[in-house]
Amino acid sequence: DGGITQSPKYLFRKEGQNVTLSCEQNLNHDAMYWYRQDPGQGLRLIYYSQIVNDFQKGDIAEGYSVSREKKESFPLTVTSAQKNPTAFYLCASKQGEASMNTEAFFGQGTRLTVV
Amino acid sequence: DAKTTQPTSMDCAEGRAANLPCNHSTISGNEYVYWYRQIHSQGPQYIIHGLKNNETNEMASLIITEDRKSSTLILPHATLRDTAVYYCIVRDSSNTGKLIFGQGTTLQVKP
Repeated sequence: DGGITQSPKYLFRKEGQNVTLSCEQNLNHDAMYWYRQDPGQGLRLIYYSQIVNDFQKGDIAEGYSVSREKKESFPLTVTSAQKNPTAFYLCASKQGEASMNTEAFFGQGTRLTVV
Repeated sequence: DAKTTQPTSMDCAEGRAANLPCNHSTISGNEYVYWYRQIHSQGPQYIIHGLKNNETNEMASLIITEDRKSSTLILPHATLRDTAVYYCIVRDSSNTGKLIFGQGTTLQVKP
């Protein structure tokens, strides 16, 4: 089945440690996105990538880093510089610029807790 | 991206139609209206989208006013499983395709 997979579903880390969240899609989508969601809030864009080897900062990129070495993978690293990393992280993908009138598909999210 | 305004919460009786409004008064001519919903602790699920014309699919109908400054998502026969947060998003067709989410409407379907 085609889809977008985030792993793990729950993640615990000690304060000061970097942690990498996985996002893989087999939909052959060009564009991929990372969002953060805090309790009772909407989604906020962290980083996005329209094509392999290219990515841009979203609205809240500070303390995060990404890479896009392969079309199907867009891992997000939460660094120790992120002041409040505990949140629900969502990854999404969609077809690229040539197909703007298309919907995004979301993974099931990773809930990160930093203690 | 145009901003959207939605009521914070709504209730609906099971089996009745749920009508969720959205204002997007600053929408421009090439911006589509998208609706997603999010059930607690899951990823958002796409529902429907449109540009000018009303749209219908197996999940819902989307009614867009003639001036395109507002729209309504209609769930024709709401079930308890439709309880979720519903997001109305206006996305610029000429930009990166990124979706800017607001607070959404929490729809509570009651038996």
